[in-house]
Amino acid sequence: QSALTQPASVSGSPGQSITFSCTGTSNDVGHHNSVSWYQQHPGKAPKLMIYDVTNRPSGVSIRFSGSKSGNTASLTISGLRAEDEADYYCSSYTSINTWVFGGGTKVTVL
Amino acid sequence: QLQLQQSGPGLVEPWATLSLTCGVSGGSITSNSYYWGWIRQPPGKGLEWIGNIYYSGSTYYNPSLKSRVTLTVDTSKDQFSLDLRSFTAADTAVYYCAGQRFGEYHFDTWGQGTLVTVSS
Repeated sequence: QSALTQPASVSGSPGQSITFSCTGTSNDVGHHNSVSWYQQHPGKAPKLMIYDVTNRPSGVSIRFSGSKSGNTASLTISGLRAEDEADYYCSSYTSINTWVFGGGTKVTVL
Repeated sequence: QLQLQQSGPGLVEPWATLSLTCGVSGGSITSNSYYWGWIRQPPGKGLEWIGNIYYSGSTYYNPSLKSRVTLTVDTSKDQFSLDLRSFTAADTAVYYCAGQRFGEYHFDTWGQGTLVTVSS
């Protein structure tokens, strides 16, 4: 199984909104509404930010939102803050009962 | 609140077997209806799912690692384990254990991570 495709980096100024993608196939992202997003700061374990495409776990800021169209999912961060600077990974359940992650997107707050 | 604590060596001899353990606290490994998983991250690279195990013993593995991986659960100790055979430099990574609620598709609880490298 191939990793999901994410842009390597995205940047924005404080207060701006940014959106970045996670592209897979009909066997993963397009197969099921099971895309999740994780935030990872350097040296730390990943933290769940979005699950089942659009749902936020308790405690995650409403500035984070997710969506999906076909084989591509997206994560939007609104009102960008310095603490949002991190790596972000998407993940999807697949048609063969496995999980696949994206290569990661580095978000830089200018 | 569920917590995961990893233990295991940070160095592995070439072609030896890596063994890592993840202890579950804040609940029983059998009563919380969780799948227990392992994910790894090579230095400077992305996340790679290794496999999941249910407390009953049913397993799911990454096809690319399936021939070298075994996941087990010890319900008497509330812990689960990863064995990765024939360890090489390509397996050098931070290894994470994680919990996934049964019927869900995301990992909501993570261990602290263990950097494992091949010894020279």
